[in-house]
Amino acid sequence: GQNIDQPTEMTATEGAIVQINCTYQTSGFNGLFWYQQHAGEAPTFLSYNVLDGLEEKGRFSSFLSRSKGYSYLLLKELQMKDSASYLCAVLNDYKLSFGAGTTVTVRA
Amino acid sequence: EADIYQTPRYLVIGTGKKITLECSQTMGHDKMYWYQQDPGMELHLIHYSYGVNSTEKGDLSSESTVSRIRTEHFPLTLESARPSHTSQYLCASSDAGVSYNEQFFGPGTRLTVL
Repeated sequence: GQNIDQPTEMTATEGAIVQINCTYQTSGFNGLFWYQQHAGEAPTFLSYNVLDGLEEKGRFSSFLSRSKGYSYLLLKELQMKDSASYLCAVLNDYKLSFGAGTTVTVRA
Repeated sequence: EADIYQTPRYLVIGTGKKITLECSQTMGHDKMYWYQQDPGMELHLIHYSYGVNSTEKGDLSSESTVSRIRTEHFPLTLESARPSHTSQYLCASSDAGVSYNEQFFGPGTRLTVL
C-alpha cells in the first residue's frame, strides 16, 4: 500500500519562506513530484526528485532523502499568488500516489 | 504548455443517466490516467492505460469504465449515475520519454448527480 503524509494547512506572510514536509511509505519508488493546485483547477508540475538532495528552481526548491522516506518543498519570497494546495506525489511504475495536499495561505 | 482537454467542464445530471466524460491529448503520450478528487481531498487513481487497447483499474474502486481505442482519446463512462458519483474527475497523460515522466493534467470535469 501507499502512505503519504503532509500537513493539512500552513499560513505565512508575503515575502516569507515556508517549508512543506512530506513523508512516504510506498511499495515502490521511481521518484517524487510536487504539484501546485489552485482551488477548482488542475494540478500543475512544480518539481521532481529521484536522487537524494536539493533541486532548486527559482523561488521553489525540493529536497529528497530516500533512506528516510522524506521530502520537502521550500517556497521562498512568498507572493499572494502562491496561495494554493501543494501536493506531494510518489511515482511507482508510471503511477502516481498523492498525499492529501497542504493548503498554503499567504497573508499580506 | 500541455495540450490535454476535457469535456464537459461542468455537468449536472439526474440519477440513472448514462454519461461519458471525454479526455483527449494531442501530445502523442502513450500513458493516460483518470483521477477522482472530492473537494479538499487527495486525488485517487481510478483508471489508467499504458497504450492503445490497454486499460487497468486504479487504486480506488470505481463503477466507471474506460476505453482506449486511439492513443489520443481516453473516455470514461458511467452507465448509471448516482449521487455518490458527484466529484471532480481529472484526466492526465504522460510519456516515458518526456520530462521525468511527468503527468500533465487536463482542466477537469466537475460532475454533480442529483
